[in-house]
Amino acid sequence: RKEVEQDPGPFNVPEGATVAFNCTYSNSASQSFFWYRQDCRKEPKLLMSVYSSGNEDGRFTAQLNRASQYISLLIRDSKLSDSATYLCVVNSWAAGNKLTFGGGTRVLVKP
Amino acid sequence: EPEVTQTPSHQVTQMGQEVILRCVPISNHLYFYWYRQILGQKVEFLVSFYNNEISEKSEIFDDQFSVERPDGSNFTLKIRSTKLEDSAMYFCASSESQEETQYFGPGTRLLVL
Repeated sequence: RKEVEQDPGPFNVPEGATVAFNCTYSNSASQSFFWYRQDCRKEPKLLMSVYSSGNEDGRFTAQLNRASQYISLLIRDSKLSDSATYLCVVNSWAAGNKLTFGGGTRVLVKP
Repeated sequence: EPEVTQTPSHQVTQMGQEVILRCVPISNHLYFYWYRQILGQKVEFLVSFYNNEISEKSEIFDDQFSVERPDGSNFTLKIRSTKLEDSAMYFCASSESQEETQYFGPGTRLLVL
């Protein structure tokens, strides 16, 4: 089983629509969770951290379900600039603080 | 806003040659990392570094790889004898503490011919 698994997409989203996708992780000892965004041939950039209580940052909402080892991201009112690959990332402090990345979910927002 | 910088942005080398990739982490950060991303694949952890020693390394980080913090600002990744399969984007990252967010540099695209 992959450590962090994501639907690769692409998710084709009309501008203004809502899109949601998730990932699963296998290591129950994982301690912190993130969504990063990666544009083509660029570095990953932190979109938001993910907390058990769920958190929101503008149009973005992230949820963590530790029992099911499942993380989700919802984007409301999609903009053309939201087109990117969204990387689900988990961190294990006990393992040298290494980040484990999923393969990414590609989102294409179209006019 | 402070950022991680990396040089060079692109490097082309012949198989068997040594390369050194350079990174300047964010100035007050204490934890440093290297990751790589082969074209079309996911980002993979290589090594983490804290207090002038390696904290953790992956299976990819074999004897051909080494890291160094030669002075107070630079953090380098050396590949002693490059192989074709070392062709990838190499990202440096840093964080203030173990629990804090890791910030990534723009990467060095390495092509081994």
